[in-house]
Amino acid sequence: AQTVTQSQPEMSVQEAETVTLSCTYDTSESDYYLFWYKQPPSRQMILVIRQEAYKQQNATENRFSVNFQKAAKSFSLKISDSQLGDAAMYFCAYRSVTGANNLFFGTGTRLTVIP
Amino acid sequence: DTGVSQNPRHKITKRGQNVTFRCDPISEHNRLYWYRQTLGQGPEFLTYFQNEAQLEKSRLLSDRFSAERPKGSFSTLEIQRTEQGDSAMYLCASSFGTGTYNSPLHFGNGTRLTVT
Repeated sequence: AQTVTQSQPEMSVQEAETVTLSCTYDTSESDYYLFWYKQPPSRQMILVIRQEAYKQQNATENRFSVNFQKAAKSFSLKISDSQLGDAAMYFCAYRSVTGANNLFFGTGTRLTVIP
Repeated sequence: DTGVSQNPRHKITKRGQNVTFRCDPISEHNRLYWYRQTLGQGPEFLTYFQNEAQLEKSRLLSDRFSAERPKGSFSTLEIQRTEQGDSAMYLCASSFGTGTYNSPLHFGNGTRLTVT
């Protein structure tokens, strides 16, 4: 079974600074999708960014970018120019291309943004 | 696009009672998922529908749990004879998919269940 590990339960960053959230995963598959979801206090999960494993280029969405290291099974999220609205729980998630369509989530990292 | 809607937002029930939650997915989405999230944990997969067919069920979904999506649109999740361990946030998500393609999942706000 796939497992997703987020080793940082909590992180903090100064407003306007950059922070990196870590995620590692375990799989025997060669093709899959990886995601970062944000869950603000309102509790609705929002997709931040996604990466297809077959793509070597790291995904970027505005201030959010990933560092995808397939061999190391690592998928970190970098948030640049952090804003107060970035404060939330961040979940890393894995989805297989074939078979199960469900997401496997990590335990999350709580990000605090300091004004 | 009104997003994924879940009702109720909160439910408090006594142990042993039955509860039912509803999820209305995004209208053009044919796939619907139920997850459970306990405090300090990531969401855990419960079950998945494609249209009206329930294609996958997690081992977490005990016999007391049943989910339906009768017309391939909204879905209900029922928990019979609730236990205190059922207290959690129940999240619904939807997506559009064909074969191995699946759009990203869109989540609802969840239903928070408290069993006393």
